[in-house]
Amino acid sequence: DTGVSQDPRHKITKRGQNVTFRCDPISEHNRLYWYRQTLGQGPEFLTYFQNEAQLEKSRLLSDRFSAERPKGSFSTLEIQRTEQGDSAMYLCAGGQSDTQYFGPGTRLTVL
Amino acid sequence: AQTVTQSQPEMSVQEAETVTLSCTYDTSENNYYLFWYKQPPSRQMILVIRQEAYKQQNATENRFSVNFQKAAKSFSLKISDSQLGDTAMYFCASEGRGATNKLIFGTGTLLAVQP
Repeated sequence: DTGVSQDPRHKITKRGQNVTFRCDPISEHNRLYWYRQTLGQGPEFLTYFQNEAQLEKSRLLSDRFSAERPKGSFSTLEIQRTEQGDSAMYLCAGGQSDTQYFGPGTRLTVL
Repeated sequence: AQTVTQSQPEMSVQEAETVTLSCTYDTSENNYYLFWYKQPPSRQMILVIRQEAYKQQNATENRFSVNFQKAAKSFSLKISDSQLGDTAMYFCASEGRGATNKLIFGTGTLLAVQP
């Protein structure tokens, strides 16, 4: 167990709906990352927080995606107006230095 | 763009045998970390082993060891005395450019340990 939790574990939604995922790292994790993993692929970087500051966003993160990390603790990832192409596993990872510890992921299915 | 290549989509090994998973990467950084992660079916990604590029000594964690060839940009994982619980997808990853330490992953190798 890495100590990183994610909620929900599974989400099924209809195209056009908004969804929000939550990630809770352990308190020592000042670094927090979001990745997306599609079937048969490795995870792809979406965005990075150091404490509460969002310092990097991937080009994969379109305007429909927004992430926050208020007070440098938990983080949320929101997808607005979901599309079928958003169906994927969304992984959160926390860390202090050079090593990242992953949560179990949220599997999103957009119908 | 930085890339990580795992050329073996699937591998199979008999229990108690040794298997080596291959990985090559491309980076312009001088100092960086490399990682192997394990993702069992429907379970979360777990760190297996990590290597600092400036360290010449290959990292070892119990039955897992790496063969790090910096000049060749090669980073293979050796699993000794394979166990049924080693069955999983294995991902090689390198640190991406910049100060964020984001990871660039390969496409993974699905390892099946046969009884």
